Amino acid sequence: DQQVKQNSPSLSVQEGRISILNCDYTNSMFDYFLWYKKYPAEGPTFLISISSIKDKNEDGRFTVFLNKSAKHLSLHIVPSQPGDSAVYFCAATYNQGGKLIFGQGTELSVKP
Amino acid sequence: EAQVTQNPRYLITVTGKKLTVTCSQNMNHEYMSWYRQDPGLGLRQIYYSMNVEVTDKGDVPEGYKVSRKEKRNFPLILESPSPNQTSLYFCASSLKGRGLVHGYTFGSGTRLTVV
Repeated sequence: DQQVKQNSPSLSVQEGRISILNCDYTNSMFDYFLWYKKYPAEGPTFLISISSIKDKNEDGRFTVFLNKSAKHLSLHIVPSQPGDSAVYFCAATYNQGGKLIFGQGTELSVKP
Repeated sequence: EAQVTQNPRYLITVTGKKLTVTCSQNMNHEYMSWYRQDPGLGLRQIYYSMNVEVTDKGDVPEGYKVSRKEKRNFPLILESPSPNQTSLYFCASSLKGRGLVHGYTFGSGTRLTVV
């Protein structure tokens, strides 16, 4: 039972354009959502998070949008850069951050 | 340097031979957690700990044990490894509550192969 789903295994975008990565969830008890970025041979690194009481959070080129009624969140990267090429994971939690549930990941490729 | 250190980075072992993967953090974090990463399945939580002597099962705890006797260490124990435990393992830690806003800090991973 996959509570957090990333249905697109891969995404290819031109440098300078917008990258939109999507994530769906099923558990309405989730109260915090996070995005992580992962390069090969490294551990995931935290990008940005959003509380369930908000619908948008921005940090530089990264913006996360949350649509609670649709149980859907998305990560926007504008403008996309070749260094953004990595696997992106969304994650959700409802236990003060103890239990963290990840999606399957989306591999983003930003082409020069 | 603030970090999460896992050892070993790579391990090949045989079925049934007990092994321990160590995890240590130097940031005085309350929360620690173990994940495994498999193709098409993303990261799945094995066990987590919200403080010393407090551990809870994640989504895939079968075949694994953990202990949290001191704050900095959270070893992952495979009492009788099987080939389906071949995976990439990550340890992570966070300050209580801050993991929600600032995320967990992950180690570099342990690539385990069970033959």
